Amino acid sequence: GAVVSQHPSWVICKSGTSVKIECRSLDFQATTMFWYRQFPKQSLMLMATSNEGSKATYEQGVEKDKFLINHASLTLSTLTVTSAHPEDSSFYICSARDRVQPQHFGDGTRLSIL
Amino acid sequence: AQRVTQPEKLLSVFKGAPVELKCNYSYSGSPELFWYVQYSRQRLQLLLRHISRESIKGFTADLNKGETSFHLKKPFAQEEDSAMYYCALKGAAGNKLTFGGGTRVLVKP
Repeated sequence: GAVVSQHPSWVICKSGTSVKIECRSLDFQATTMFWYRQFPKQSLMLMATSNEGSKATYEQGVEKDKFLINHASLTLSTLTVTSAHPEDSSFYICSARDRVQPQHFGDGTRLSIL
Repeated sequence: AQRVTQPEKLLSVFKGAPVELKCNYSYSGSPELFWYVQYSRQRLQLLLRHISRESIKGFTADLNKGETSFHLKKPFAQEEDSAMYYCALKGAAGNKLTFGGGTRVLVKP
């Protein structure tokens, strides 16, 4: 079945640093990748949709300068949280799909900003 | 606008009992509905989708357009069904999924 790999699984860093999270589709070409944020005991909230080779589409209320998304190839998308602060601490999940399959999800990345 | 509502945050049942997770949606067009499951310490996985009309792990779900519902059912719950379940909707025009708040199912021995 389709596999989506997300790295790192957990990161702790100081306030003010930037953090990059990678999302890879391992056995299919992901024409579209999605980035979600999940707070404790809450549902997944879509942050942005990323199509290969084009700019990401951000959901209302998500700062595109804060959460930089790059989808340079059909198997890789990255999310960079720039100048991270404690309020950015959360669980970030990516998913990927091609034109046929439904979304397949990564394991998620737990981001803790001190 | 798309909206998915899962009214129950927690469902606790005994092994062998039936379980039904409610999902209601709001969407003006023809939606595609999904159920995703997340077992402890694992990633979110697709359980089933309404267009497939199949039964996975004993679970079934029927899309009721009149009641705008997509409830998930299993006649005899097993302990390994304990997990978090999310109902999700994809609109006809786009790719994105809108998730419900999730229902935690606990199956007691």
